[in-house]
Order: sequence, then C-alpha cells, then structure tokens
Amino acid sequence: DGGITQSPKYLFRKEGQNVTLSCEQNLNHDAMYWYRQDPGQGLRLIYYSQIVNDFQKGDIAEGYSVSREKKESFPLTVTSAQKNPTAFYLCASSIDRGFPYEQYFGPGTRLTVT
Amino acid sequence: EDQVTQSPEALRLQEGESSSLNCSYTVSGLRGLFWYRQDPGKGPEFLFTLYSAGEEKEKERLKATLTKKESFLHITAPKPEDSATYLCAVINAGGTSYGKLTFGQGTILTVHP
Repeated sequence: DGGITQSPKYLFRKEGQNVTLSCEQNLNHDAMYWYRQDPGQGLRLIYYSQIVNDFQKGDIAEGYSVSREKKESFPLTVTSAQKNPTAFYLCASSIDRGFPYEQYFGPGTRLTVT
Repeated sequence: EDQVTQSPEALRLQEGESSSLNCSYTVSGLRGLFWYRQDPGKGPEFLFTLYSAGEEKEKERLKATLTKKESFLHITAPKPEDSATYLCAVINAGGTSYGKLTFGQGTILTVHP
C-alpha cells in the first residue's frame, strides 16, 4: 500500500532537548511538507521541499530544521530554540509539476515537551 | 496575505438533517481550493479539489461548490460516521510557493443518531 508514515505516534521530551520526527512516503511524490497543528488554529506550514537536497522555510520555521537527502524521506528536527514545541505535527506529500495537486497527509506525531 | 475563514466553528446535526459548511477566502489569485476531513488524532484525509468558480464535485453524501469568494461543502442526509472536522485550504497563484496551502481553522461537525 502506498502512503505516508510518521513515527513515532507519540513523543515525550524534556525541555532543552532536540527531537527528530520521522516522515517517509512511498508515493513517489516530489514535494514534501511539514505542518504544525494547535487546538483552535489551522495547520501552519513549517518547511517544505520540492526536490531532493532543497527546502524552503514556511510561515513558522524558527526553531525547526529539516533535511531532504532522499526523495522518500523528510525528517523534522524540533530544536531547543522552539519556544512552544508541544503540538501535533503532520507530514504531507504531493506531486509537484507546476500545478496545485492535492497534498496527502500522514497520521501525525503528537509531541509533548515538559 | 492569504486568508481562509470557515463557518460555523461547530455544527451539530441530527442524522438525516442536511446542511452546509462555508469557506470564505481572500487570496491573490486562486489556483486551487481543497477540502479535507480530519478525525480526532489523525491526519487530514483529502476529499475534493476545486479550481475555478462554478466547479462542483461530489462524493457520496458530500458536494463541494466554488464561487469567486467562497466554497460550500453541502452534506446531504448525514450519518453519525460523517462526524469529523472539515478543513478548507487554498493555494494562491503567486511566486514559487505554489505548493503552499493556507488552511482555515476548520468546522467541527457532529451528527447525532
């Protein structure tokens, strides 16, 4: 089955620690995205990548970092510089051929930092 | 700056009671409008894409329509399993970030048996 996997489903960390969230897709999609979802707010874009070894900041990139070494993988690191890291993190992917194709989402990772 | 506003914030229906959800948008040239369904604790599930005013898409009990300023998601004879948060998102025509979705806050739909 094709799809997007995110791991782990739940993640707990102490304040001051960096943490990396995994995102893998086997849809052969070019573009991948990371969103953050907080209660009462819409999804907000953190980073996106249209091609391997290239990525752009979204609206709320501060305190986050990404890499795109393989087409299938787009890990997100939440650094200790992120002031409010507790949230639901969603990874998505889409075809990217100069046309607004729909994005498909993974199941999400809920990060709790105490 | 692109803006998407969804109303109502929450909607409670009886099973079989048809209704509509609204998504109003302000974008610098709409390239696409997307509807998603999200169940609690899960990732959004894609429903529809609309590209131009007058376009309509249907899937089971759901029908999405688009005008130049808003989109409606019509739910006909809903069932309890239609209960979810429905999200609307847009892509604008500007720049190189044509994959960048701007989301509304969602409408929480509850259908009672």
